[in-house]
Amino acid sequence: GNSVTQMEGPVTLSEEAFLTINCTYTATGYPSLFWYVQYPGEGLQLLLKATKADDKGSNKGFEATYRKETTSFHLEKGSVQVSDSAVYFCALPEEDTGRRALTFGSGTRLQVQP
Amino acid sequence: DGGITQSPKYLFRKEGQNVTLSCEQNLNHDAMYWYRQDPGQGLRLIYYSQIVNDFQKGDIAEGYSVSREKKESFPLTVTSAQKNPTAFYLCASSPSGSSYNEQFFGPGTRLTVL
Repeated sequence: GNSVTQMEGPVTLSEEAFLTINCTYTATGYPSLFWYVQYPGEGLQLLLKATKADDKGSNKGFEATYRKETTSFHLEKGSVQVSDSAVYFCALPEEDTGRRALTFGSGTRLQVQP
Repeated sequence: DGGITQSPKYLFRKEGQNVTLSCEQNLNHDAMYWYRQDPGQGLRLIYYSQIVNDFQKGDIAEGYSVSREKKESFPLTVTSAQKNPTAFYLCASSPSGSSYNEQFFGPGTRLTVL
């Protein structure tokens, strides 16, 4: 079935540094891909999505490009802020289970220092 | 504003007790889900419901039960049969007409066994 692998954290950066969080996936076909963000003590919020190959999702300065050649959906931001400190999850739909649920990566914790 | 609410935010359970976590949505979504999140891990599916009066077991349903009597509500009961219930519980919903499988999450309930 579909699966996703994220880089392990924590990732610690200084404010205004460039961020990359790697995500690679295994899937049949070209499913939608998602990045969710979880701030401390809160639920998950959809950060961005891409619904077909070569699409670029973007939101709040974050970007991710759906690259079918490398089966990747890396999350990037040019200049992080302290307020970006959170856990980031890459996700994609389960394959043909009929559950319409998502498969999540294990999450990558980002810590941004002033 | 449309969204998903979960209550309580924090819940403490004694050994041998059943407790019920509330999840309500006003997004008019047909599908609802319960996930469990343990520290440093991704999300695991407990139960899901695609339509009112119907629900199915997910990957870790043992020790849990649900009901779906109303479209808006999908409560989760953690029974005494669940041996390690301390975790963060997330409820989600999804519009059935969407082909993208995007899910919307509530703020979560943190359950601690005393």
